[in-house]
Amino acid sequence: NAGVTQTPKFRILKIGQSMTLQCTQDMNHNYMYWYRQDPGMGLKLIYYSVGAGITDKGEVPNGYNVSRSTTEDFPLRLELAAPSQTSVYFCASRDRDRRVWFFGPGTRLTVL
Amino acid sequence: AQKITQTQPGMFVQEKEAVTLDCTYDTSDPSYGLFWYKQPSSGEMIFLIYQGSYDQQNATEGRYSLNFQKARKSANLVISASQLGDSAMYFCAMTHHFGNEKLTFGTGTRLTIIP
Repeated sequence: NAGVTQTPKFRILKIGQSMTLQCTQDMNHNYMYWYRQDPGMGLKLIYYSVGAGITDKGEVPNGYNVSRSTTEDFPLRLELAAPSQTSVYFCASRDRDRRVWFFGPGTRLTVL
Repeated sequence: AQKITQTQPGMFVQEKEAVTLDCTYDTSDPSYGLFWYKQPSSGEMIFLIYQGSYDQQNATEGRYSLNFQKARKSANLVISASQLGDSAMYFCAMTHHFGNEKLTFGTGTRLTIIP
């Protein structure tokens, strides 16, 4: 199993540009999550999904959109990038056992 | 709402000493789980230890132990015999076992081990 994979690893965007952060897991997990981590801070939940076709907002959803058309993929869309979205983005997944969470390696995004 | 508080932004500890990282939490739910994660400078999130709210004994994983004091709502991480490789950010996190599907993180403690 590859676990949770994220692409790209790094990206620099200009203000107003759009991009999609990709997240894929090969463990057949129903639950998937997007977090952002600002410098020196903890992780904050952006969006999450409890299964294909079901998504919900987390703590900091503004400026982002998600979709979940398959169990494996949970892409995060930034429509109009702003400097405040400069952060490291982590995707995570888990199965029904809430004790075991899998995190991707993160995507470092800079908006200039 | 669930909340995690880590009051130590940074700590410096001599190599081979034990270190305790503080974590307090706030929840009205009786069933929950507490986690500690390590984040080295490379950035990945590494799971260290888990404690369930109904677990009778404090969790241990090698050099890591979790000092769980339910009445005080604290879940401190204890690292015995610290090593240089323990230098990293450490995050406490919590999830509930029913309903709420999320993992909520504290702001972290940066631990630096001094040789």
